[in-house]
Amino acid sequence: GENVEQHPSTLSVQEGDSAVIKCTYSDSASNYFPWYKQELGKRPQLIIDIRSNVGEKKDQRIAVTLNKTAKHFSLHITETQPEDSAVYFCAAPRDSGGGADGLTFGKGTHLIIQP
Amino acid sequence: NAGVTQTPKFRILKIGQSMTLQCAQDMNHNYMYWYRQDPGMGLKLIYYSVGAGITDKGEVPNGYNVSRSTTEDFPLRLELAAPSQTSVYFCASSIHREGTEAFFGQGTRLTVV
Repeated sequence: GENVEQHPSTLSVQEGDSAVIKCTYSDSASNYFPWYKQELGKRPQLIIDIRSNVGEKKDQRIAVTLNKTAKHFSLHITETQPEDSAVYFCAAPRDSGGGADGLTFGKGTHLIIQP
Repeated sequence: NAGVTQTPKFRILKIGQSMTLQCAQDMNHNYMYWYRQDPGMGLKLIYYSVGAGITDKGEVPNGYNVSRSTTEDFPLRLELAAPSQTSVYFCASSIHREGTEAFFGQGTRLTVV
């Protein structure tokens, strides 16, 4: 099965600066990498995802990059704003061999935007 | 369009009691999942279903059971509740096999005392 490592566990940045969260995965056959944002007491919400046939994907202030050779992918948030404060989770398919379903999640990064 | 609906939102159980967490989705998704979220540990898959009548174990299935009699509903049953089952439970559904683009319910916060 897949193993996903995420770091850092906590990230504090000044408002307006950029934030980068990194994840590594173990299964080289994995082909889908989503990022979820979870505000305090709320449900996880998908904010961006990337498939293994592309190296980068952008959506306004957020972007995800994928390095298949190194088996890592990163979330980039530019011009951070107070509403970006939340816990962010990366994930990968639990079993890319198609024998199982669901996602394996990283342990999360608590992003704090300092005013 | 309600998406994924979970009930109840909060529950306190005594050790040894049983309960069912309800989950319903109205998006006609075949794939449904139950995750638990412990503080600082991310989400772990308990059980999943690829369609009505088909369920399978995830990473942490012990102490739980599920059923999937319809496409819409995927209840999670806790038998003989233990303190280790204190957690936040999320139900999710997806149109894709790997749980891609999964939509989550609002969660059930369960405390076992």
